[in-house]
Amino acid sequence: NAGVTQTPKFQVLKTGQSMTLQCAQDMNHNSMYWYRQDPGMGLRLIYYSASEGTTDKGEVPNGYNVSRLNKREFSLRLESAAPSQTSVYFCASSDMGGRQQPQHFGDGTRLSIL
Amino acid sequence: GIQVEQSPPDLILQEGANSTLRCNFSDSVNNLQWFHQNPWGQLINLFYIPSGTKQNGRLSATTVATERYSLLYISSSQTTDSGVYFCAVLISNFGNEKLTFGTGTRLTIIP
Repeated sequence: NAGVTQTPKFQVLKTGQSMTLQCAQDMNHNSMYWYRQDPGMGLRLIYYSASEGTTDKGEVPNGYNVSRLNKREFSLRLESAAPSQTSVYFCASSDMGGRQQPQHFGDGTRLSIL
Repeated sequence: GIQVEQSPPDLILQEGANSTLRCNFSDSVNNLQWFHQNPWGQLINLFYIPSGTKQNGRLSATTVATERYSLLYISSSQTTDSGVYFCAVLISNFGNEKLTFGTGTRLTIIP
């Protein structure tokens, strides 16, 4: 049972380059989330998707776009990477349908912008 | 927005010792999660605990929602317990659930 799978695990970009971080979950969860974690800090919500076809901004959405491709997949795109976006990115998912369930996290993508 | 504070920020203990980590939050929440981030950066779910007490082996957690705090107890610490412990509070709004994380407690267990 894979849970939440993120790709790639590591990436180095130059300033101005673009890239998409991929996330897939196999738990049939409705809700998916993208967070970033900066050194010495907790996670901060970038974007979330409460259900297939919907996305909403979180605490720190500037510089990012997201796509909920289907129920399983939720991608995060950096259109023009900046050094301030160097961080560890985590994807998470949770069940909905009126029940409150814990969020389950992937192993993270470590992104460095030079 | 809601504030989540964890204490202490750092804790160094000898193997076998017990510890208590605290999480205070500034507003009513729908739920609360405790995580362990291991030295490889993975986030491990420990507890999902809106109120009351739960136990899992050497770990237990208590949340007193009316007083806006939660405690994580670790007994007989092992070196594998090292890492950062985060609490995160859940706010559910019109079907959307958002976690707000504290800044963590870094626990180091010395052999």
